[in-house]
Amino acid sequence: KQEVTQIPAALSVPEGENLVLNCSFTDSAIYNLQWFRQDPGKGLTSLLLIQSSQREQTSGRLNASLDKSSGRSTLYIAASQPGDSATYLCAVTGANNLFFGTGTRLTVIP
Amino acid sequence: KAGVTQTPRYLIKTRGQQVTLSCSPISGHRSVSWYQQTPGQGLQFLFEYFSETQRNKGNFPGRFSGRQFSNSRSEMNVSTLELGDSALYLCASKTLAGADTQYFGPGTRLTVL
Repeated sequence: KQEVTQIPAALSVPEGENLVLNCSFTDSAIYNLQWFRQDPGKGLTSLLLIQSSQREQTSGRLNASLDKSSGRSTLYIAASQPGDSATYLCAVTGANNLFFGTGTRLTVIP
Repeated sequence: KAGVTQTPRYLIKTRGQQVTLSCSPISGHRSVSWYQQTPGQGLQFLFEYFSETQRNKGNFPGRFSGRQFSNSRSEMNVSTLELGDSALYLCASKTLAGADTQYFGPGTRLTVL
């Protein structure tokens, strides 16, 4: 069974810092990997989707990489802002199911 | 385009009752998936519907069921509610089944007393 782990579970950084969130998965037979953002009590917002054949995707200040062979993905956030504070979840798609990680709760301190 | 909508947003029920949650996907999306989110278990897949057929099912008891209508709207039903069913229930839609970006609704917060 696919297991997805995210480290760290929580992270606090001062505004303006660059940061990296990590995601690892046990089964490399995935179709794609997605990074989501979730604000407290709300649904999920898709940030980036990387197909299994791709190595990275970029959107604005966000850059996600995928190394399928090692079962790892990173989400890089440049020049963090207080509005980036949220829980970030990665999820891998395998056999049409999404398997979610446990999330990293990010706090950006003004 | 309007996003994924879920109704109701909040619900309070007592043990033993049943509940029906509704999800309207983005127009043109034919796949709807349901997820349960709890502090202890995180986000877990319940089931996926595509063209009115259940394509996949997670590891949940038979008390959890769903269906999809011809207009792609989906409902999820939980019978004989237990305290542990208290959770945020999220639905997500995508254009087709298979590997694609899923778009999530705001969720229904179910509290079982």
